[in-house]
Amino acid sequence: NAGVTQTPKFQVLKTGQSMTLQCAQDMNHNSMYWYRQDPGMGLRLIYYSASEGTTDKGEVPNGYNVSRLNKREFSLRLESAAPSQTSVYFCASSLSWGTSDRQYFGAGTRLSVL
Amino acid sequence: DQQVKQNSPSLSVQEGRISILNCDYTNSMFDYFLWYKKYPAEGPTFLISISSIKDKNEDGRFTVFLNKSAKHLSLHIVPSQPGDSAVYFCAASGGDMRFGAGTRLTVKP
Repeated sequence: NAGVTQTPKFQVLKTGQSMTLQCAQDMNHNSMYWYRQDPGMGLRLIYYSASEGTTDKGEVPNGYNVSRLNKREFSLRLESAAPSQTSVYFCASSLSWGTSDRQYFGAGTRLSVL
Repeated sequence: DQQVKQNSPSLSVQEGRISILNCDYTNSMFDYFLWYKKYPAEGPTFLISISSIKDKNEDGRFTVFLNKSAKHLSLHIVPSQPGDSAVYFCAASGGDMRFGAGTRLTVKP
């Protein structure tokens, strides 16, 4: 019973490098999300996909792009990493968006940009 | 702007006593509130929730109280157990879900 799977778990990048964080869910959920967690800031929404084929900006989208590859997979891309993007990234999914549906989270990706 | 605030970064209680975690919000459009629990190196997991049309929801040792006029909610854990030691996030939903910064609860044996 995998739930939400994120890869990689850890990554170190140099400033200017690019990378893609992968996320997959096996719960047949319609909505998927990317958050970042920073000390004292809680979880902030970067992008979300309310349903397959749609993506929308969240609270802090600058410097990121996303792709909803299919119903299961939602990736987050950093085109040119900056030290300010050092954070822990969480992917989540829920049955639907904008309702009381709880979100299920992956274990996170810890990213350091040097 | 932080629309959901948890003003206590940490809380320490003795095993068997009550833990009370607090959360304030500013946006009156929020209509659903949730608490998530997070252990180190894991993602947050859902704990308990409450709709804005209620003022209390109980699930075993966990009770959430909502005071809409004060824009305040609290999570009560009774009795507290060492396994409850974790970071607790308050979240509010009205479309996007907004999270507080978290409160680290330590339950001492």
